[in-house]
Amino acid sequence: NAGVMQNPRHLVRRRGQEARLRCSPMKGHSHVYWYRQLPEEGLKFMVYLQKENIIDESGMPKERFSAEFPKEGPSILRIQQVVRGDSAAYFCASSPIGGTNSYEQYFGPGTRLTVT
Amino acid sequence: KQEVTQIPAALSVPEGENLVLNCSFTDSAIYNLQWFRQDPGKGLTSLLLIQSSQREQTSGRLNASLDKSSGRSTLYIAASQPGDSATYLCAASNNNDMRFGAGTRLTVKP
Repeated sequence: NAGVMQNPRHLVRRRGQEARLRCSPMKGHSHVYWYRQLPEEGLKFMVYLQKENIIDESGMPKERFSAEFPKEGPSILRIQQVVRGDSAAYFCASSPIGGTNSYEQYFGPGTRLTVT
Repeated sequence: KQEVTQIPAALSVPEGENLVLNCSFTDSAIYNLQWFRQDPGKGLTSLLLIQSSQREQTSGRLNASLDKSSGRSTLYIAASQPGDSATYLCAASNNNDMRFGAGTRLTVKP
């Protein structure tokens, strides 16, 4: 059973371009979470999705950021018109049951986005 | 809004020493608390998960305790080894939301 997969592992974008980060949850997991880790800072929650639904996006910046988790295929975190401040490590986690009440979230290896 | 604090920010110990990492959280109404390890440039590895109804969890040389009433958790590492060098993160979960501390960067010197 493969773990949570994220790709690409490293992504370089110029200012103004779009960044697309992909996350494939563990088999059997239908809940996905995205986190961002800025340099020298802790991980911060961004968004929680179920298949085809956004459950909680309270941590998402209001502009340029969007996330989806379609019925088929990976979850996508999309950043439009990237700026240098978007440079960070973006981690995805999945769980078999919704919320963080009783079950561990399993983390992917992260995507390191560098905006030049 | 939950805030999680980890002290110290960095710790350096000689090999073989026992050590304690501290985590505090402001909202005691948590569902669980989780400790993670992060190696440089890598993702997170879950170490221990303590449910709100539990007081501690143990795995090998690691022991994590939880005191909800005081808003504290500790991670105890026995007989530390150079391979334990990493950043250790704690995260408190409140209904769909997991809040992380900034981490403690541990260095175990041979």
